[in-house]
Amino acid sequence: AQSVTQLDSQVPVFEEAPVELRCNYSSSVSVYLFWYVQYPNQGLQLLLKYLSGSTLVKGINGFEAEFNKSQTSFHLRKPSVHISDTAEYFCAVRLSGGYNKLIFGAGTRLAVHP
Amino acid sequence: DVKVTQSSRYLVKRTGEKVFLECVQDMDHENMFWYRQDPGLGLRLIYFSYDVKMKEKGDIPEGYSVSREKKERFSLILESASTNQTSMYLCASSLASPANTEAFFGQGTRLTVV
Repeated sequence: AQSVTQLDSQVPVFEEAPVELRCNYSSSVSVYLFWYVQYPNQGLQLLLKYLSGSTLVKGINGFEAEFNKSQTSFHLRKPSVHISDTAEYFCAVRLSGGYNKLIFGAGTRLAVHP
Repeated sequence: DVKVTQSSRYLVKRTGEKVFLECVQDMDHENMFWYRQDPGLGLRLIYFSYDVKMKEKGDIPEGYSVSREKKERFSLILESASTNQTSMYLCASSLASPANTEAFFGQGTRLTVV
């Protein structure tokens, strides 16, 4: 069965510091990988997605993620965070077949402090 | 821009009531999904639909049913609401293909069952 593990439930960080949110997945078939962000009282918004090709994916708001097939990881990074990045971040996988269901991790709450 | 609209942002219902959550998308997407979001559990798939009148159970379908009579509208029904169904409910839609396409989310409905 496919699963997604987000290794940190909460990540506190100071403004302008770098941050990494970790995501590991398990799957026996090819997957597509996504990071979504949820600001307070909002729905989910796509940050970035890995399709194929280059393992480094750039998204919106200065975020990027690196796909590592051997470690089955898709960690999200930002070199310098802002207060406005405070939100919950979800890693998700979609199988290459089937009805395009997204399987989500439990989420990581990023809290950026001044 | 794709728009997924959920009919209510907040709902308070009594135990035993029949509850309808409505979702409409405006981009002619084939797939529509209902997720439930609870702290520490991420998003869990309740039901999804890949065509009008077609549906498949997700990971936690017990206590829920769905209806898709028109392509743009997907309804989640709680036949007899219970307090353990208090949660945030998120609707999403996506194209059926390619598989690497992302899902688009509504703003969510926070349901409280008292």
